[in-house]
Amino acid sequence: ELKVEQNPLFLSMQEGKNYTIYCNYSTTSDRLYWYRQDPGKSLESLFVLLSNGAVKQEGRLMASLDTKARLSTLHITAAVHDLSATYFCALGGSNYKLTFGKGTLLTVNP
Amino acid sequence: KAGVTQTPRYLIKTRGQQVTLSCSPISGHRSVSWYQQTPGQGLQFLFEYFSETQRNKGNFPGRFSGRQFSNSRSEMNVSTLELGDSALYLCASSLTGGYGNTIYFGEGSWLTVV
Repeated sequence: ELKVEQNPLFLSMQEGKNYTIYCNYSTTSDRLYWYRQDPGKSLESLFVLLSNGAVKQEGRLMASLDTKARLSTLHITAAVHDLSATYFCALGGSNYKLTFGKGTLLTVNP
Repeated sequence: KAGVTQTPRYLIKTRGQQVTLSCSPISGHRSVSWYQQTPGQGLQFLFEYFSETQRNKGNFPGRFSGRQFSNSRSEMNVSTLELGDSALYLCASSLTGGYGNTIYFGEGSWLTVV
């Protein structure tokens, strides 16, 4: 059974600090997605990572993919309050389905 | 560019009733998929459609069904509702569902079963 594990599940950060969210998965895949969800809202697409060594950056967020280690990371640089949300990684595949991790609830405190 | 549109946004149903949720994908997108989100189980895949054909189905009972129309709009139906069906139902669309496609989600339909 395919498993996608995120850690930590809860993350409380101070503004200005850096941190990393980890996403491990149990089987090979050629696509890894990161989404953001605000409370009561839908999922906002952040990154699509398609190859080993892929790195994408948008603002204070940077995502990377290591397919050999079956690991993706979402790095947060100099966190600000607006980044408070739940972040999900999801593994895609040729079966047209996304398998999601449980999500990381990020709270950025002043 | 309009996003993925889901209707209704909120609904309350009684146990035993049935419900139909609707999804209009982004213009030009032909792959539509559905997910259930609950606090306990997280985000779970229901099914995916492309050109009116179901290409994959998640591990849900037969009470959950869906379809896609020729204009790519999709509906999902849940019959004989149970309390445990209370959830946020999310529709997602992409160009083809294939490699490299970004998958966009709608705002969701909040279903409460009482």
